[in-house]
Amino acid sequence: EAQVTQNPRYLITVTGKKLTVTCSQNMNHEYMSWYRQDPGLGLRQIYYSMNVEVTDKGDVPEGYKVSRKEKRNFPLILESPSPNQTSLYFCASNAGRMNSYNEQFFGPGTRLTVL
Amino acid sequence: KQEVTQIPAALSVPEGENLVLNCSFTDSAIYNLQWFRQDPGKGLTSLLLIQSSQREQTSGRLNASLDKSSGRSTLYIAASQPGDSATYLCAVLLNRDDKIIFGKGTRLHILP
Repeated sequence: EAQVTQNPRYLITVTGKKLTVTCSQNMNHEYMSWYRQDPGLGLRQIYYSMNVEVTDKGDVPEGYKVSRKEKRNFPLILESPSPNQTSLYFCASNAGRMNSYNEQFFGPGTRLTVL
Repeated sequence: KQEVTQIPAALSVPEGENLVLNCSFTDSAIYNLQWFRQDPGKGLTSLLLIQSSQREQTSGRLNASLDKSSGRSTLYIAASQPGDSATYLCAVLLNRDDKIIFGKGTRLHILP
C-alpha cells in the first residue's frame, strides 16, 4: 500500500531534549516536506527536499533541521525543542515536477508537546 | 509573498444542498493547486489536483476549477452529505521555489 509513515505519532518531551521525528515513504517520490499545523495559523511548511541531499527552507524553518540521505526517508530534527514548537506535524511527499500528476500524500501526523 | 485565502472560514448547510468553497491566491505563478480534506485530528486526504494549464478537474460529486489569471479556485460539492463534514484546504505549489503554501481552510458542517 502506498503510504507515508511517521513515528512517533504522539510525543511529550521537555525543553532542550533533542528529538527526531521520522518520516518514510514507499512511493519512490522525489519531493518530501514537513509541515506544522497550529490553530488559527493553518499548515505551514518547515522544510522541503526535492531530491536526495537537496533540502530547502520553507516558511518556518527556525529551530528545525532535516536531512535527506536516502530517497525514502526525511527525518525532522529538533536539536533543542522549546514550548513554541508544540504542534501537530505532518510529513508529505509527491513525485516531483517530472511527474505530470504530482499530488501530495500526507502522513498521519505527529502530535508533539514540549513542556 | 504568496498568500492563500479561503473564505468562508466555516460553513453550515443542510444535507442535499450543492455548495461552493473558495480559494484565492495572490501570485498567479503557480505550478499546480490541490484541494484536500482533513477530518478532526487526522491527516490530509487529497481530493483533486489541478495543473496550472488546466481549468477544472472532477471526481465523483466534486468539481474543482482554476482561474489562474484571477488567482481563484473553487471546489464545488454536489448533493452534500453528512459524511462530507470536514475541513477543506487548498494549497498551491509555487513555480519559483517549489514551496507549497496552504490556505487556512474552510470548516464545513453538513446538517442531517
